[in-house]
Amino acid sequence: RKEVEQDPGPFNVPEGATVAFNCTYSNSASQSFFWYRQDCRKEPKLLMSVYSSGNEDGRFTAQLNRASQYISLLIRDSKLSDSATYLCVVNKGGDSSYKLIFGSGTRLLVRP
Amino acid sequence: DTEVTQTPKHLVMGMTNKKSLKCEQHMGHRAMYWYKQKAKKPPELMFVYSYEKLSINESVPSRFSPECPNSSLLNLHLHALQPEDSALYLCASSHTGKLFFGSGTQLSVL
Repeated sequence: RKEVEQDPGPFNVPEGATVAFNCTYSNSASQSFFWYRQDCRKEPKLLMSVYSSGNEDGRFTAQLNRASQYISLLIRDSKLSDSATYLCVVNKGGDSSYKLIFGSGTRLLVRP
Repeated sequence: DTEVTQTPKHLVMGMTNKKSLKCEQHMGHRAMYWYKQKAKKPPELMFVYSYEKLSINESVPSRFSPECPNSSLLNLHLHALQPEDSALYLCASSHTGKLFFGSGTQLSVL
């Protein structure tokens, strides 16, 4: 089983749609969770951290479910500029807390 | 704009060449990373330096040699690479667990 698994893509949605991505992680000792966005041929950029209480940043909402070991990202009112690959990132936890593991990414295409 | 600077942006090298990738950050972050990313794949961790000491080596072949001269600089020395080493090499620093990436070096090994 992969340490971090994401929904397979691509997700192809119209502008204005709401889309949700899920990510599961295998290490119960993991303490830090993030969503990154990566545009084609660019570096990954931090979109948002994910907290136990859930957090929102504009059109983006992230949730963490420790019991089921999954995190989610909800994007409301999708824009063309949201088209990118979304990477779930989880730290290994314990003595390896510096080790950040990437999921394989979910590609989002927002069409006019 | 990223505050992690990588040079060069592009590099083409032969299998007998020796080259170095450079990374610099002035955010005061004490952990620095090298990741390798192939097309349509996620970044794969190579090395982690914590307080200028190598703390993680993900069983990377010895033809890749990292170096951390000081808390702001991270180098990756390359020697006798193979064509399959062609990839985007990303440097990152971290603070409170969050990674901040440089724009990467696109490496082609001929």
